[in-house]
Amino acid sequence: NAGVTQTPKFQVLKTGQSMTLQCAQDMNHNSMYWYRQDPGMGLRLIYYSASEGTTDKGEVPNGYNVSRLNKREFSLRLESAAPSQTSVYFCASSVGARANVLTFGAGSRLTVL
Amino acid sequence: QKEVEQDPGPLSVPEGAIVSLNCTYSNSAFQYFMWYRQYSRKGPELLMYTYSSGNKEDGRFTAQVDKSSKYISLFIRDSQPSDSATYLCAMSGMEYGNKLVFGAGTILRVKS
Repeated sequence: NAGVTQTPKFQVLKTGQSMTLQCAQDMNHNSMYWYRQDPGMGLRLIYYSASEGTTDKGEVPNGYNVSRLNKREFSLRLESAAPSQTSVYFCASSVGARANVLTFGAGSRLTVL
Repeated sequence: QKEVEQDPGPLSVPEGAIVSLNCTYSNSAFQYFMWYRQYSRKGPELLMYTYSSGNKEDGRFTAQVDKSSKYISLFIRDSQPSDSATYLCAMSGMEYGNKLVFGAGTILRVKS
């Protein structure tokens, strides 16, 4: 079982460049999430999708956009990367809208110079 | 003030020790309490899940919730080097909808 797969694992960008982080899950989960993890800050929710066709802002959505492409895939786009977006990004999924039991991907480490 | 406070550690203990990890929180609306374990360079994985106050045991792990004190704990008995990881507390409630609120995590190192 692959679970939650994120690509790429590592990426270095220059300020102002754009990129998309990809996430796919094979567990037939309805809800998907994007988090960022920074030292001393814990995991912070960027965007989530409670079900296919819906997306909502989380705690730190500024500078990001998302697309729930289908039930399996949920992508995160940085349109104009900034050094403050240097972080480790985690995609997660859950069976239903109650987000307590999350399955996380391995993370995507992004550095913006 | 953060909604969920967690000592970042690192906490270093000898193999076989009993470990106590703790979180405090400020919002009494939290109803669901979780502990996630995160190994280095990996994603978090759910370790324990409790609802409201009380204790829950699973093997060497015990999760304890004291809602009156707004305090949750995770106890690890007979700690092993393989328990070395970052432990994240997380909590949610109806008014938070789909949003888990995480603590910053405590780094645990178990020395053999």
